[in-house]
Amino acid sequence: AQSVSQHNHHVILSEAASLELGCNYSYGGTVNLFWYVQYPGQHLQLLLKYFSGDPLVKGIKGFEAEFIKSKFSFNLRKPSVQWSDTAEYFCAVMADNYGQNFVFGPGTRLSVLP
Amino acid sequence: EPEVTQTPSHQVTQMGQEVILRCVPISNHLYFYWYRQILGQKVEFLVSFYNNEISEKSEIFDDQFSVERPDGSNFTLKIRSTKLEDSAMYFCASSEEVGEKLFFGSGTQLSVL
Repeated sequence: AQSVSQHNHHVILSEAASLELGCNYSYGGTVNLFWYVQYPGQHLQLLLKYFSGDPLVKGIKGFEAEFIKSKFSFNLRKPSVQWSDTAEYFCAVMADNYGQNFVFGPGTRLSVLP
Repeated sequence: EPEVTQTPSHQVTQMGQEVILRCVPISNHLYFYWYRQILGQKVEFLVSFYNNEISEKSEIFDDQFSVERPDGSNFTLKIRSTKLEDSAMYFCASSEEVGEKLFFGSGTQLSVL
């Protein structure tokens, strides 16, 4: 079964710092990859997704992620974070384009200091 | 933007009692899901539902759990006899197609005492 790992449990940055959150998955087949964000007190929202094509995916709020198939990775990046980016970030994998079982990573908490 | 709605936002129950968590998915969506998040842990898949039947379920979704779409608009999760470890935030989600963007509700916080 596929699994998803996220490198950091808690990341603390100052405003304007650059962000990279790591995500690795274990599955050898075709995958759809997602990053979700959960702001304090709110529900999960989709930041971006990768299905196929250009491995560099741009999402909302200035986020982007790069799919590197050889490394089984899908890291999330943002060049300059804001205080409002403080949230929990979840990487998720859906395998083989038809499975309805999302596997979420454990989440990374991002705290941005003003 | 259309949204998935969940009620109640917070449910408190005694151990051993039955609870029903309610969700109204987005009207033209065909795929429905329940997830849960135990405090401090990752979001876990429970079950997916399509065409009036369960498509997939996880190991968590044992005989104590059931789902139903009773009237074409609501999508419910029933826990027959709650346990302390069922305390969690339960999220409903829906999507138009498999693999498409999931729209999540705001969750129901279930507290089992």
